[in-house]
Amino acid sequence: GQQVQQSPASLVLQEGENAELQCNFSSTATQLQWFYQRPGGSLVSLLYNPSGTKHTGRLTSTTVTKERRSSLHISSSQITDSGTYFCAMERNTGGADRLTFGKGTQLIIQP
Amino acid sequence: DPKIIQKPKYLVAVTGSEKILICEQYLGHNAMYWYRQSAKKPLEFMFSYSYQKLMDNQTASSRFQPQSSKKNHLDLQITALKPDDSATYFCASSQGGNTLYFGEGSRLIVV
Repeated sequence: GQQVQQSPASLVLQEGENAELQCNFSSTATQLQWFYQRPGGSLVSLLYNPSGTKHTGRLTSTTVTKERRSSLHISSSQITDSGTYFCAMERNTGGADRLTFGKGTQLIIQP
Repeated sequence: DPKIIQKPKYLVAVTGSEKILICEQYLGHNAMYWYRQSAKKPLEFMFSYSYQKLMDNQTASSRFQPQSSKKNHLDLQITALKPDDSATYFCASSQGGNTLYFGEGSRLIVV
């Protein structure tokens, strides 16, 4: 089955530093999303990026489809960025598709 | 205001009992999903519905039955509850398999 590997499992940074999160998947993805979850909270979609580079605010995602990898870059991290970041992929297009999630990267931003 | 409403938010159930988790979405999406998140496993896909029809089913057990009475409703009935069913169950929706939006989750504890 499809597998999604995220690294690192956890990351501790000082406020203001940049964070780099990695995602590798076992098969070519036609859909790739990054999600954020605060402890005990819901998941929020950050970026929908099946290929190329996408930006929103301080977030940049780069997905290289042929190499089956995606990254999420968080610039000038803030304490409120703390939480778990998930990468999720889907191989098929259209319709009601299932996403396969990685185990997440726990990001802790310290003052 | 939340666009995907899940009820109840918290639920404690006795082993062997039956519960229904409610989900309503007001995003006008045609596809709805159930995902499960527990301490033991990463977020995992359970069901997907499109236009009130079952599209995909990952759950092996027939104890989990989705029910769609209206286009924007997808409830989840769980029978013969077991302690291993303890998890947070997330309802989600999308339009045409694009960006996935999650509800706040229903946290189920089976004792």
